[in-house]
Amino acid sequence: ELKVEQNPLFLSMQEGKNYTIYCNYSTTSDRLYWYRQDPGKSLESLFVLLSNGAVKQEGRLMASLDTKARLSTLHITAAVHDLSATYFCAVTQKLVFGQGTRLTINP
Amino acid sequence: NAGVMQNPRHLVRRRGQEARLRCSPMKGHSHVYWYRQLPEEGLKFMVYLQKENIIDESGMPKERFSAEFPKEGPSILRIQQVVRGDSAAYFCASSPLVGTGLITEAFFGQGTRLTVV
Repeated sequence: ELKVEQNPLFLSMQEGKNYTIYCNYSTTSDRLYWYRQDPGKSLESLFVLLSNGAVKQEGRLMASLDTKARLSTLHITAAVHDLSATYFCAVTQKLVFGQGTRLTINP
Repeated sequence: NAGVMQNPRHLVRRRGQEARLRCSPMKGHSHVYWYRQLPEEGLKFMVYLQKENIIDESGMPKERFSAEFPKEGPSILRIQQVVRGDSAAYFCASSPLVGTGLITEAFFGQGTRLTVV
């Protein structure tokens, strides 16, 4: 059974700090997605990573993929309050999700 | 181009009633996925459909739940004889036709929040 594990599950950080969210998956996948979800809202697509070594950046968020280690990271640089949300990674075409990382950024 | 449309946004049902959740994919998308999200939890895959065809229903409960995506009209997730444990947010997503070697992105609807009383 394919398992996707994120850590940490909860992350509270101060504005201006850097941090990384990790996503491990148990079997081969030809893609990895990162989504953002605000409370009570739908999921917003952030990144789609397709190949080993892929790196994508959007604003203060940067995602990378290591298919050999079955690991993706979502790095947050100089966090701001607006980035507070729950972040999910997902793999395979049918989207098997991790548990989510609830990120809270404090002023 | 409208996004993925789900309705209703909120649905209240008494125990034992039926719930029908609708999902209209984005224009040009032929694949639909359904997920369930319990409060404070991640999304659990339920079923993956193409028009008139169920591709993967490995996440669907064996009883009371069914899904369809007819040639015309929206995809329907149907829950018969609802119980309190069915209360959750149900999201659908859609993606375009997947070609050989082509990776596509899935876009999510706003979700239907089902409450069973």
